[in-house]
Amino acid sequence: NAGVTQTPKFRVLKTGQSMTLLCAQDMNHEYMYWYRQDPGMGLRLIHYSVGEGTTAKGEVPDGYNVSRLKKQNFLLGLESAAPSQTSVYFCASQTSGGTDTQYFGPGTRLTVL
Amino acid sequence: AQKITQTQPGMFVQEKEAVTLDCTYDTSDPSYGLFWYKQPSSGEMIFLIYQGSYDQQNATEGRYSLNFQKARKSANLVISASQLGDSAMYFCAMRGWNTGFQKLVFGTGTRLLVSP
Repeated sequence: NAGVTQTPKFRVLKTGQSMTLLCAQDMNHEYMYWYRQDPGMGLRLIHYSVGEGTTAKGEVPDGYNVSRLKKQNFLLGLESAAPSQTSVYFCASQTSGGTDTQYFGPGTRLTVL
Repeated sequence: AQKITQTQPGMFVQEKEAVTLDCTYDTSDPSYGLFWYKQPSSGEMIFLIYQGSYDQQNATEGRYSLNFQKARKSANLVISASQLGDSAMYFCAMRGWNTGFQKLVFGTGTRLLVSP
């Protein structure tokens, strides 16, 4: 039981390049989330999904796209990376709302030059 | 809208002493949940404790307890008998009925340093 995994762990991009971050969970959770963490700002929600085939915008969605084609996977895409997207990205999942806690992946450190 | 405020950017405590990390929240939700997470220097987010807005008693999990004062909208984390391994960032978060309990809102965190 691996929990929530993220690929890759580290990545350096040049401005304008694209990339996809992969999140996978093996807990059969319905809800999945992508956050970014910047110094002094806590975690901010980028996009989330409440089930396979569904996605919704969070607090800071601009410049990102997501897809949830399979229940266990949630992909975060950057079509044209900008230095402002330099951050640590966390994926999380949970069974449903209410009291259920979110389980987090180990994070991806992305640097955009 | 929901908002979490953590006013202590940094806290220091000596090993074996207790420490309280402050968290206040603002919400119009009739029902909500409050969470605390720990983030050590290795970076992972670790769930510590949960308090529901209708729970009659304060939540406890081992050395962690949540001092929930609903009227004051505060949900402070109390760590008893601090250990060196408690040095980390601590985040308070909440989730509410108005968003279908789907989204967590985080505070900016408090960095705790435990000294020998």
